Amino acid sequence: DSGVTQTPKHLITATGQRVTLRCSPRSGDLSVYWYQQSLDQGLQFLIQYYNGEERAKGNILERFSAQQFPDLHSELNLSSLELGDSALYFCASSVDSDLKYNEQFFGPGTRLTVL
Amino acid sequence: GNSVTQMEGPVTLSEEAFLTINCTYTATGYPSLFWYVQYPGEGLQLLLKATKADDKGSNKGFEATYRKETTSFHLEKGSVQVSDSAVYFCALPGNTPLVFGKGTRLSVIA
Repeated sequence: DSGVTQTPKHLITATGQRVTLRCSPRSGDLSVYWYQQSLDQGLQFLIQYYNGEERAKGNILERFSAQQFPDLHSELNLSSLELGDSALYFCASSVDSDLKYNEQFFGPGTRLTVL
Repeated sequence: GNSVTQMEGPVTLSEEAFLTINCTYTATGYPSLFWYVQYPGEGLQLLLKATKADDKGSNKGFEATYRKETTSFHLEKGSVQVSDSAVYFCALPGNTPLVFGKGTRLSVIA
């Protein structure tokens, strides 16, 4: 158990819908990262927050947005869903942004299926 | 930007066989290098890391040496077990917090 929790574990929805994925980082970790893992694209970095502020942005679509709240939990919002958005979405956390010495701890993921 | 290339899988080995998964990197300077492992149905977890050239990271019988001459960080284990069946990712810091390779799926059969 990494200490990172993600809900829900599974999500099945239809095209055009909007969903929210939730992540609670390990106690004491200030940085949260979101990743998308699909069979054809591999593991893609979406976005990072550090202590409530956006720190880095990756290949995140405009239809997707995220935020980190004062209690440090984070939510990833996916809207106007398409079939191609079906994937595993991982949240990870770390103590701070310096990954040279501080590892990322990954949650178990949310499996999103868009029908 | 920084990038990693790791060998394509899948790799299938018999129990107690020797494992090598190749990883080469392209980077500015000498960043830390990582191997992450993803067991079936789980998230990634850090397996080992090396923070400078010539460092050897090791954990759970796995080893990898940071070689700047060959820009490599190959993962090795002398005797694999069925429980090592997983997907292994090489990674380093880059334009994003961590840049991951495409992953190498390892299956170990008894």
